[in-house]
Amino acid sequence: QSVLTQPPSVSGAPGQRVTLSCTGSSSNIGAGYDVHWYQQLPGTAPKLLIYDNSNRPSGVPDRFSGSKSGTSASLAITGLQAEDEAEYYCQSYDISLSGLLFGGGTKLTVL
Amino acid sequence: EVQLVQSGPEVKKSGESLKISCKGSGYSFSTHWIGWVRQMSGKGLEWMGMIYPGDSDTRYSPSFQGQVTISADKSVSTTYLQWSSLKASDTAIYYCARRNTGGGGYWLDPWGQGTLVTVSS
Repeated sequence: QSVLTQPPSVSGAPGQRVTLSCTGSSSNIGAGYDVHWYQQLPGTAPKLLIYDNSNRPSGVPDRFSGSKSGTSASLAITGLQAEDEAEYYCQSYDISLSGLLFGGGTKLTVL
Repeated sequence: EVQLVQSGPEVKKSGESLKISCKGSGYSFSTHWIGWVRQMSGKGLEWMGMIYPGDSDTRYSPSFQGQVTISADKSVSTTYLQWSSLKASDTAIYYCARRNTGGGGYWLDPWGQGTLVTVSS
């Protein structure tokens, strides 16, 4: 099934650590395809946050980290800051689609 | 600096045609796939398809096959997304983004600033 499932929302207080999950299937993450994460601040275009499961592009703080295991992936954010409040999307490649697949997105609220 | 710059917002009526653009700069345009992504108001990201400007090889998501046409003109480093007959349900922001390849898949970076398409019935 060509779906990446993300929780609709997560929240945390400033300074805390939060984890966002992304669950796929044997036609995408489980097939060995890497997971990538994007951050979309309100009113702006998505921005690459993590690529190839755990790599940070230049300029992305090391407070952001990614991991992948089996058919799932996670994005962890430590030392939560108000500026981290955004929508976060995971993305992988799907065999059935023969193309890219996005998760539904997780809205992160900083309390 | 690698950059993708998209054309401006559009307001159209149902049944009209439309072509929006995405111009790349700062890299070898012909040798990188460009993808298009739809975002309807308050909703998530949907991959529509992608094109390889070097030879215009094009792939579509099953959800968008036959609904839109993706093309490219490598002489002006520009890709296009077009509709022959717009519907109100095409109202959305459309992003282009460069596809990058890793060891196990592809990711999109950088992204264009987005083009808002509004279709009234």
